[in-house]
Amino acid sequence: QKEVEQDPGPLSVPEGAIVSLNCTYSNSAFQYFMWYRQYSRKGPELLMYTYSSGNKEDGRFTAQVDKSSKYISLFIRDSQPSDSATYLCAMSGGANAGKSTFGDGTTLTVKP
Amino acid sequence: SQTIHQWPATLVQPVGSPLSLECTVEGTSNPNLYWYRQAAGRGLQLLFYSVGIGQISSEVPQNLSASRPQDRQFILSSKKLLLSDSGFYLCAWSGKANQPQHFGDGTRLSIL
Repeated sequence: QKEVEQDPGPLSVPEGAIVSLNCTYSNSAFQYFMWYRQYSRKGPELLMYTYSSGNKEDGRFTAQVDKSSKYISLFIRDSQPSDSATYLCAMSGGANAGKSTFGDGTTLTVKP
Repeated sequence: SQTIHQWPATLVQPVGSPLSLECTVEGTSNPNLYWYRQAAGRGLQLLFYSVGIGQISSEVPQNLSASRPQDRQFILSSKKLLLSDSGFYLCAWSGKANQPQHFGDGTRLSIL
């Protein structure tokens, strides 16, 4: 079983929809949680970086961490066609503090 | 601000030929450096990471090697490429423990 499981998608939504992207994990030592956006043929770009449980908001993006359930989410409000990309969750902490563990990504398409 | 440069963007090589991919980071010192491979539609596979000059950890036994001759330079090499070495190679850097990684734009390697 993988340490990080990400909803595989793909996900297709109309423009303006609220999008929910999710990951679960098994390692209770994880304390730092990241979301990356990756456009086709590009490297992943850091979107959100959070520590421990709670919510963090940045514009249309909200990252939510529930450590008790080992579950993290990224919400995108008022989704735009430019949000069409693959989203990767990542987390770190514990013995392997220098490395991150990544989900396999969810591909999102926002249709105009 | 910090930037990461990775080149070339695209590379086509014959089986059995050597490989050298280079990655450099600007605007920071003593970063952690990482090499990943990403198969199409898949997650990130960590190949190597380095916490300092000459310090390389290999994550997966394979046909590749890495070197860090200078603080902000990370090189991925092979003496003889295999067909299975095809993929999208990404370099990343981070500050020390638990800080998020930042990626270059990758090299798409095709082996013929």
